[in-house]
Amino acid sequence: AQSVTQPDIHITVSEGASLELRCNYSYGATPYLFWYVQSPGQGLQLLLKYFSGDTLVQGIKGFEAEFKRSQSSFNLRKPSVHWSDAAEYFCAVGAGSGGGADGLTFGKGTHLIIQP
Amino acid sequence: DVKVTQSSRYLVKRTGEKVFLECVQDMDHENMFWYRQDPGLGLRLIYFSYDVKMKEKGDIPEGYSVSREKKERFSLILESASTNQTSMYLCASAAPGAGSLHEQYFGPGTRLTVT
Repeated sequence: AQSVTQPDIHITVSEGASLELRCNYSYGATPYLFWYVQSPGQGLQLLLKYFSGDTLVQGIKGFEAEFKRSQSSFNLRKPSVHWSDAAEYFCAVGAGSGGGADGLTFGKGTHLIIQP
Repeated sequence: DVKVTQSSRYLVKRTGEKVFLECVQDMDHENMFWYRQDPGLGLRLIYFSYDVKMKEKGDIPEGYSVSREKKERFSLILESASTNQTSMYLCASAAPGAGSLHEQYFGPGTRLTVT
């Protein structure tokens, strides 16, 4: 079964600074990888996804992520954060078989705090 | 845009009550999911459904059941609510297909408190 680790429970970043949120996954085959964001009191919104092809993927709100197979990582980055980026961020992995028997497996989340 | 709605944003129930959480999606998606979200534990899959009247257990199905009588609606049922089921419940839907199966669209969540 697949698993996802987000090593950082909380991260504090100054507004305007760059951001990197870490995600490591465990899965035997090529994974389908996702980053979701959850603003306070809201559901999850998809930021970006990786299925295949170019390992650097662009998402909404200026976010990007890079798939590194050798490191089993899919880290999320943003060059300059805004106060509105304060939220909970979840990395998720899906089984590449497409059978969907396991649905999505989520990490425990990283809480991003933006300092003025 | 895909829209997933959940019947209640906040719900307070008593221990032992039967609780129904409703989820409706408007994109004709075959696949629907129920997760619960708890601080420090992330999202955990309770049940999912690939089609009408079809259901599959997720990682934590104990104490829950589901119903999918219509394609657009997926209900989560707590047969006898307990305090350890106090949580945020999130519904999601996805179109079929190898990749899109896993691109899930989420509702706003129902925060359930069992007293």
